[in-house]
Amino acid sequence: EVQLLESGGGLVQPGGSLRLSCAASGFAYSSYAMAWVRQAPGKGLEWVSTISYSGTDTYYADSVKGRFAISRDNSKNTVYLRMNSLRAEDTAVYYCVKGHIVLDYWGQGTLVTVSS
Amino acid sequence: QSVLTQPPSASGTPGQRVSISCSGSSSNIGSNAVNWYQHLPGTAPKLLIYTNNQRPSGVPDRFSGSKSGTSASLAISGLQSEDEADYYCAAWDDSLKGYVFGIGTKVTVL
Repeated sequence: EVQLLESGGGLVQPGGSLRLSCAASGFAYSSYAMAWVRQAPGKGLEWVSTISYSGTDTYYADSVKGRFAISRDNSKNTVYLRMNSLRAEDTAVYYCVKGHIVLDYWGQGTLVTVSS
Repeated sequence: QSVLTQPPSASGTPGQRVSISCSGSSSNIGSNAVNWYQHLPGTAPKLLIYTNNQRPSGVPDRFSGSKSGTSASLAISGLQSEDEADYYCAAWDDSLKGYVFGIGTKVTVL
């Protein structure tokens, strides 16, 4: 059974940093791209970032480019999202997702709140 | 404002057929496959349709997808109360080099 377990969310002040982690199990993790998708309160789904299976290629939404960094550790079956210079508009539930074009499994999400 | 255009809402009575449209451009739907996701409040989103018209294992055949040119649509036939959810279309955008979602369509079963 595919499982994606996010952690690292919480309350952070504007301008602060946070690192999200996602532990994956139940599939050949090192063979798949991974992504982060978020949903702000009352809003729709927004793609944030994707990393290729090897970690060589990364992609970012314009809204987070230069502030967020995605990475992965294939020895730990874990994908990370480092978030810097956080803004109020980054407040959202962040979902860890398996896949690149077809996002076939989603974690339960972790809430990030940016507020003073 | 999203790159992919969906109606914000749709509704029907139990047993009816509901269709949701998704309009894009040559850089997304026009050149890449469309996927659909179902999101019930408080739960993780779920892949409903992939590669335009394919259903993952476990998705009822009441759900179907199609694509033509730069538009796609999701149809729910035999609408059931448990189908009340938000539905999102999505595709890779070659110009943006990113994945784009529609704004989501809230389906209400009357």
